[in-house]
Amino acid sequence: EVQLVESGGGLVQPGRSLRLSCAASGFTFGQYAMHWVRQAPGKGLEWVSSISWNSGNIAYADSVKGRFTVSRDNAENSLYLQMNSLRPEDMAFYFCAKGSFASGFDSWGQGTLVTVSS
Amino acid sequence: QTVVTQEPSLTVSPGGTVTLTCASSTGAVTSGYYPNWFQQKPGQAPRSLIYSTSSKHSWTPARFSGSLLGGKAALTLSGVLPEDEAEYYCLLYYGGAFVFGTGTKVTV
Repeated sequence: EVQLVESGGGLVQPGRSLRLSCAASGFTFGQYAMHWVRQAPGKGLEWVSSISWNSGNIAYADSVKGRFTVSRDNAENSLYLQMNSLRPEDMAFYFCAKGSFASGFDSWGQGTLVTVSS
Repeated sequence: QTVVTQEPSLTVSPGGTVTLTCASSTGAVTSGYYPNWFQQKPGQAPRSLIYSTSSKHSWTPARFSGSLLGGKAALTLSGVLPEDEAEYYCLLYYGGAFVFGTGTKVTV
């Protein structure tokens, strides 16, 4: 069974940093692209970032470009999102998801909440 | 900035049929945008229903189908059940980047 478990969320002040993790199990992690998607409370879904299986292709939404960095450790079956210079508008549930544009984001974690407030 | 637009809300009777659409501000949606559709219920993570316009996962109920319709991606629910009440999001691929639609609240 595919499992994705996010962690690392919490309360952080504007301008500070936070690192999210996504622990994967139940599939061959190193063979799949992975993604971060966020959802502000009561709002819609927003794609944040994607990373290919070998980290060779990385993309970011304009809203986080230059502040967020996605990475992965295939040996540890883990995905990461380093979030710097956090803003109140970054406050959201952050989900990790597995898959590609062709095969769909077929599995999702339950999300971790990031609260940005002074 | 690319905007992907969906109907804000739709209401359907049990057993009925409803079609949700997904439009891109850049022009007609084609198969090259690899349209995906997701269902999200309150307090839950999104669940993938359709990928690559019309492909279904093993868990996708047969009453859900995806297509292209009049320059938009479309999700049709046929024989709607009460448990289909949810928010539905499309996702389009723009050559490396993705954009989610604004979401459609389906009320049964």
